[in-house]
Amino acid sequence: SQELEQSPQSLIVQEGKNLTINCTSSKTLYGLYWYKQKYGEGLIFLMMLQKGGEEKSHEKITAKLDEKKQQSSLHITASQPSHAGIYLCGAAGEPAGGTSYGKLTFGQGTILTVHP
Amino acid sequence: SQTIHQWPATLVQPVGSPLSLECTVEGTSNPNLYWYRQAAGRGLQLLFYSVGIGQISSEVPQNLSASRPQDRQFILSSKKLLLSDSGFYLCAWAPGVGTQYFGPGTRLLVL
Repeated sequence: SQELEQSPQSLIVQEGKNLTINCTSSKTLYGLYWYKQKYGEGLIFLMMLQKGGEEKSHEKITAKLDEKKQQSSLHITASQPSHAGIYLCGAAGEPAGGTSYGKLTFGQGTILTVHP
Repeated sequence: SQTIHQWPATLVQPVGSPLSLECTVEGTSNPNLYWYRQAAGRGLQLLFYSVGIGQISSEVPQNLSASRPQDRQFILSSKKLLLSDSGFYLCAWAPGVGTQYFGPGTRLLVL
């Protein structure tokens, strides 16, 4: 089965600093999803990457998927207190149309704290 | 637009009592539906998924069961709760095998 490892497990930064969160898979990623969660709330979808080398940005958050499709990174530029929360990566273990029915495996999450 | 609701938001139940958590989706038809449990505020464990009415697949054998009585309704149940059932339960929907969108969650505390 596919396993996702996120690093670091937790991160404390000063407001305005840049930061990177990594998500590494033991197998090829056929769809890599990044979510953000505030404590006690549901997950908010951020971005989805599918192609090797793909990069997407939304406001100050950029996500990349490496060429081999086994590692993804999430980069936040000039962090703000509103960026604080838990960031989770989730991945599909086989191409769309297979028998997985869209099931995702998730990493353990990275807790981000941003000090003003 | 699509919305997903979970009820109740918080629940405190004694050990051995029954459980029923409800998830409903609005604004879409024939969604894939998923139940996850999140322990200690970290990673998500997929419990059940459904691709249609009455079609339930279980990922982890345990004390819980799921049902989908209507197209946009997904229910998580237990006949007798265990202490280990405590956690944060999240429901999600997807348009086929696409991006999953999550509900607000239900926090369950079993005492």
